[in-house]
Amino acid sequence: AQSVTQLDSHVSVSEGTPVLLRCNYSSSYSPSLFWYVQHPNKGLQLLLKYTSAATLVKGINGFEAEFKKSETSFHLTKPSAHMSDAAEYFCVVRILFNKFYFGSGTKLNVKP
Amino acid sequence: EAQVTQNPRYLITVTGKKLTVTCSQNMNHEYMSWYRQDPGLGLRQIYYSMNVEVTDKGDVPEGYKVSRKEKRNFPLILESPSPNQTSLYFCASSSTGGGLYGYTFGSGTRLTVV
Repeated sequence: AQSVTQLDSHVSVSEGTPVLLRCNYSSSYSPSLFWYVQHPNKGLQLLLKYTSAATLVKGINGFEAEFKKSETSFHLTKPSAHMSDAAEYFCVVRILFNKFYFGSGTKLNVKP
Repeated sequence: EAQVTQNPRYLITVTGKKLTVTCSQNMNHEYMSWYRQDPGLGLRQIYYSMNVEVTDKGDVPEGYKVSRKEKRNFPLILESPSPNQTSLYFCASSSTGGGLYGYTFGSGTRLTVV
């Protein structure tokens, strides 16, 4: 069975401190992995993707994610949170050509 | 500007009254898909289309229909809406099934069925 689990439904950090949003996946195939961000009342925007090249992936707005096959994880990080990072983040696993599985989302709150 | 346009943004309707949510993309993408987003469930795929006249069911297709007569348009049809179809709907498109470049998402349609 294929699935993706976001381990925290809510994460709260102070501005200027590091961000860690956790994602674990299960797949019988070699997956492609994505992180999307959704700001309030907006559509989803692609932050970064892993497609079997470098395991450390850099995305937009200073976000990074590291693919760890042994841990089946693809955690999203950012060294220093900004107020504008407050949003909901989705981890997505692509198993086959047209099959995508979305995590249930993590809401990031950034405190001044 | 490259974009996916959904209409309407908000819709309140009554049970059983047929409705259509339109989706149009201007990027010449072959692949289009509909998702619904519900709290705590993430996004679930309703239907997808790999090209004109080629559509297939996603994970939650019951109660929905789609058509793909033109490359740019992929409307979502609810023949007889029910309250359990109250949700936030997203249309998305991609040139490669999302694998290389990811999806471009529309801004969403919030549907309430009373």
